[in-house]
Amino acid sequence: NAGVMQNPRHLVRRRGQEARLRCSPMKGHSHVYWYRQLPEEGLKFMVYLQKENIIDESGMPKERFSAEFPKEGPSILRIQQVVRGDSAAYFCASSRQWGGETQYFGPGTRLLVL
Amino acid sequence: AQSVTQLDSQVPVFEEAPVELRCNYSSSVSVYLFWYVQYPNQGLQLLLKYLSGSTLVKGINGFEAEFNKSQTSFHLRKPSVHISDTAEYFCAVSDSAPDSYDKVIFGPGTSLSVIP
Repeated sequence: NAGVMQNPRHLVRRRGQEARLRCSPMKGHSHVYWYRQLPEEGLKFMVYLQKENIIDESGMPKERFSAEFPKEGPSILRIQQVVRGDSAAYFCASSRQWGGETQYFGPGTRLLVL
Repeated sequence: AQSVTQLDSQVPVFEEAPVELRCNYSSSVSVYLFWYVQYPNQGLQLLLKYLSGSTLVKGINGFEAEFNKSQTSFHLRKPSVHISDTAEYFCAVSDSAPDSYDKVIFGPGTSLSVIP
C-alpha cells in the first residue's frame, strides 16, 4: 500500500510564474490536508479538502493560492504569480476519516522561487 | 483557538542518555494530541497519539508521552536515545469535539541532536 505521494519533490520557479503541486493520498483516504513549512518554522495549516469539496481554507492566503481535490486524480495546490516569500516546503497529508484519525504525510515538495 | 508551545527549540543530549521534549497546549475544548518526527528532507512520521483512555501513551522507536490535563502538557520521553533519533520533533493538537474535523495545529518544533 503506497503512502502519500507528492510531486514534484523539488520545484524551481521564477517570480511571476505558476507553481502546481500534486498530492496523491493513500489508497482509501478521502481527506487531504495541505501544510506549508517555512525555513526554521513549524508546519502551518493551509487547507483541508474532501473529494470535490473544500472544507476549511482558513490557512490559505487570500490571493494567488488555490486548492482542489477532484473526483478523479490527485489534489492540486496551485500558486499563481509566485513571489520569493512562497519559497517553502509544502506537505500534503491524508486520512481515512476525521476525529483523531492519523494523518499520513507525504515527503513534501520544496519550492524555490528565484 | 488552539495553540501549541514547545519550550525548547534545540535539545542536545548524549547518546544513551534520557531525553524529555516538552509540549504544552492551550484549548477551550477537548483535544487529541500527537507527536511527529521529521528526519532531514523528509515528511512527518507519527510517533504516537493520545485520543482517550490511559494518559501514558507508548509509540514507536521507544518513545512515550504522558497527557496531563491539569497542566495541559504532553511531554515526550525516551529513556535512552540513539544517534538515529537526531531529528525535528513536532507536537500537535486537534479538536476532539463531536462533529469537528482534524484541523491539526503544530508547535514550532524541537530539534533533537544526539551527541556520540
